[in-house]
Amino acid sequence: NAGVMQNPRHLVRRRGQEARLRCSPMKGHSHVYWYRQLPEEGLKFMVYLQKENIIDESGMPKERFSAEFPKEGPSILRIQQVVRGDSAAYFCASSPRGILNYGYTFGSGTRLTVV
Amino acid sequence: SQQGEEDPQALSIQEGENATMNCSYKTSINNLQWYRQNSGRGLVHLILIRSNEREKHSGRLRVTLDTSKKSSSLLITASRAADTASYFCATDALQGGSEKLVFGKGMKLTVNP
Repeated sequence: NAGVMQNPRHLVRRRGQEARLRCSPMKGHSHVYWYRQLPEEGLKFMVYLQKENIIDESGMPKERFSAEFPKEGPSILRIQQVVRGDSAAYFCASSPRGILNYGYTFGSGTRLTVV
Repeated sequence: SQQGEEDPQALSIQEGENATMNCSYKTSINNLQWYRQNSGRGLVHLILIRSNEREKHSGRLRVTLDTSKKSSSLLITASRAADTASYFCATDALQGGSEKLVFGKGMKLTVNP
């Protein structure tokens, strides 16, 4: 079981470009969560998805950010027209069901640097 | 918004000593979880304690939960240099219409050999 796979590990984008972050959950996990972590900070919730559905995007900025979890393939977090303030580590986590009785399994993250 | 807040924010101890980290939270919970993050890596789930449990053990880890005080503690006994990491508490929070984990800012533990 490969765990939660995120790629790329590091991503450098110039201001105004698009960033695409991918997350493949653990096998059998249908719940995916995206978090953002700034240096020396905790994790801030962004979005919660199940297959083909966005359950909760209350933590995601209204503009430039979008997420999807298609029926086939990984979950994608997309940031359009990146700005320096988007530089952060983005973590994806998955769980087999809701979190009531389960912990999350995290990926190793994607470190986005906007130059 | 932050739900859990760890205390202290940083702790430095010698190998073999015990390390205690505290977490306070604000709203009612179903469970509280502790995670570890090594520098530059993802978070690793350590232990989950349900709201109807008071204490839980896993190897050298002991977690307590006091729902009346809305607080939890994580004790690492006989610490090792490899325990050096940041530790986060997380609570399930019903916000924005869904249940998800809300993390504290974390506590940096340094275990000196």
